[in-house]
Amino acid sequence: DQQVKQNSPSLSVQEGRISILNCDYTNSMFDYFLWYKKYPAEGPTFLISISSIKDKNEDGRFTVFLNKSAKHLSLHIVPSQPGDSAVYFCATGNQFYFGTGTSLTVIP
Amino acid sequence: DTGVSQNPRHKITKRGQNVTFRCDPISEHNRLYWYRQTLGQGPEFLTYFQNEAQLEKSRLLSDRFSAERPKGSFSTLEIQRTEQGDSAMYLCASSLSGASFSPLHFGNGTRLTVT
Repeated sequence: DQQVKQNSPSLSVQEGRISILNCDYTNSMFDYFLWYKKYPAEGPTFLISISSIKDKNEDGRFTVFLNKSAKHLSLHIVPSQPGDSAVYFCATGNQFYFGTGTSLTVIP
Repeated sequence: DTGVSQNPRHKITKRGQNVTFRCDPISEHNRLYWYRQTLGQGPEFLTYFQNEAQLEKSRLLSDRFSAERPKGSFSTLEIQRTEQGDSAMYLCASSLSGASFSPLHFGNGTRLTVT
């Protein structure tokens, strides 16, 4: 049972443009979400989080939006940089459920 | 902050053998998690500890898998009678409790290959 879904396995974006990564969840009881970034041969690293009391959280070039009615969150990266090329995972607040990841490639 | 350390980085074993992995979390972190990750998938939760207490185990964790954290510091994950389907990356992560949802700090994982 996939509690958190990332339906786009990969995404390619030109440098300087916006990257939008999506995540859907099934259980409306989830009230906190995190995004992690993973480079090859390394463990995931925390990127940004959002609580359900907010619909937006921003940290520099990274913004996460939460649409509770749609059970959907998205990560926006703007402007995208080649160093952002990585696999991005969304996760629930209890850290028990991770999405399958979206591999982002930022083309110079 | 020396980070989360996992050993070994790679393990190749024959089917039916037992293997044990070690995780050393960030020293002040009292929560420790184990995950399994296969190609094209996200980290799959296996179990987690708060201090030495194992508080949650995934129902996917068969009885061939056991984890310990005897003194609330390092942890070991043992797989008995390994099967080819156990081949995966095993990730350990740690965090502080206190805050409702503390981000995890992951190690670089142990890659298990069962032949």
